[in-house]
Amino acid sequence: AQSVTQLGSHVSVSEGALVLLRCNYSSSVPPYLFWYVQYPNQGLQLLLKYTSAATLVKGINGFEAEFKKSETSFHLTKPSAHMSDAAEYFCAVSVGTNAGKSTFGDGTTLTVKP
Amino acid sequence: NAGVMQNPRHLVRRRGQEARLRCSPMKGHSHVYWYRQLPEEGLKFMVYLQKENIIDESGMPKERFSAEFPKEGPSILRIQQVVRGDSAAYFCASSPVAAIEGYTFGSGTRLTVV
Repeated sequence: AQSVTQLGSHVSVSEGALVLLRCNYSSSVPPYLFWYVQYPNQGLQLLLKYTSAATLVKGINGFEAEFKKSETSFHLTKPSAHMSDAAEYFCAVSVGTNAGKSTFGDGTTLTVKP
Repeated sequence: NAGVMQNPRHLVRRRGQEARLRCSPMKGHSHVYWYRQLPEEGLKFMVYLQKENIIDESGMPKERFSAEFPKEGPSILRIQQVVRGDSAAYFCASSPVAAIEGYTFGSGTRLTVV
């Protein structure tokens, strides 16, 4: 069975600082990996996805993530935080023939200080 | 190009009543997924459906919960004899094929059991 672990349930950065949200996955087969963002009282929006092509994946709103098989990681980064980035971020994994079902991490709440 | 439509947005039920949550997938999407989000927690998979078929219901409680995605009309998540512990946000997502490309989420239905 696949799983993801998001390290740090809350991350706080200053506006303009680097954003780093950590995600480690567990899977016995090559995974598909995703990052989603959720704003208050809304559904989740896909930020970016890794589906076995390039290991460095660029997404919307200036975010990117790098798939590192040796570290079983898929950390999300953004060079310069903006106030509008404040939200909750979820990492998710799907694997194999049941790739229809994604397993989500517990989420990381990002706070951006002025 | 309407996205995933969920209704109602908010639903209040007394203990013992039935709750019916509706989800119309994005146009062209034939795969529907239901997730539950409890306060301060991540998303927990409930069920994965295609038209007229339940593909994976491994996350559904064995009693009181059922889901369907008929040939015509929206997908329905039905909770019978609701209890306080059913209070949560229920999210529906859809995808055009098995979700290696990621999901499109609805805005959710927030169920409160009083």
